[in-house]
Amino acid sequence: SQQGEEDPQALSIQEGENATMNCSYKTSINNLQWYRQNSGRGLVHLILIRSNEREKHSGRLRVTLDTSKKSSSLLITASRAADTASYFCATDASGSARQLTFGSGTQLTVLP
Amino acid sequence: EAGVAQSPRYKIIEKRQSVAFWCNPISGHATLYWYQQILGQGPKLLIQFQNNGVVDDSQLPKDRFSAERLKGVDSTLKIQPAKLEDSAVYLCASSPQGFAEAFFGQGTRLTVV
Repeated sequence: SQQGEEDPQALSIQEGENATMNCSYKTSINNLQWYRQNSGRGLVHLILIRSNEREKHSGRLRVTLDTSKKSSSLLITASRAADTASYFCATDASGSARQLTFGSGTQLTVLP
Repeated sequence: EAGVAQSPRYKIIEKRQSVAFWCNPISGHATLYWYQQILGQGPKLLIQFQNNGVVDDSQLPKDRFSAERLKGVDSTLKIQPAKLEDSAVYLCASSPQGFAEAFFGQGTRLTVV
């Protein structure tokens, strides 16, 4: 089963614009993570936000977490063509055997 | 630091044949995951090991899939017999104990014809 659901499923923007992706999940979590996957490759970890954090930054990435709404957003500022990839949120559920459960992903295309 | 190693990278087999995938996690990582990723979908957890013990295999089709983690290090995932719907990328990942990120291998792309 998939815990998280990303929105939108696909997003196409121009280089230099900001890209925002959203993730909703169902159960209580220890933390929420975002990963990137380039076509035909494995997943690469981008950022982890703990359940007691509300916002986190890493370079051009900004992640927010609203545990009352069970949702998170990933903002990529000043996007580049190299940011073209699929982005997945993954939840580390509370009280579980530390499963890392992925959503269905957002396909981001950044046009040069 | 060496990453997660997986082999083979690609495999094509006929339905009803068997296949095995191998994963060598990052040294010292206690947790090892096997995921199945069907084209256009997110990774689905098949099995999770903590050292050499199975923590969760609730989504592993146990009638045809099996996995083991030898001495808490390397792991193999086997499918026997394969079905057409097993065509997917099989991803191995590892993480240290605690609340941490997972490191993924490049995956094995399986095509069942």
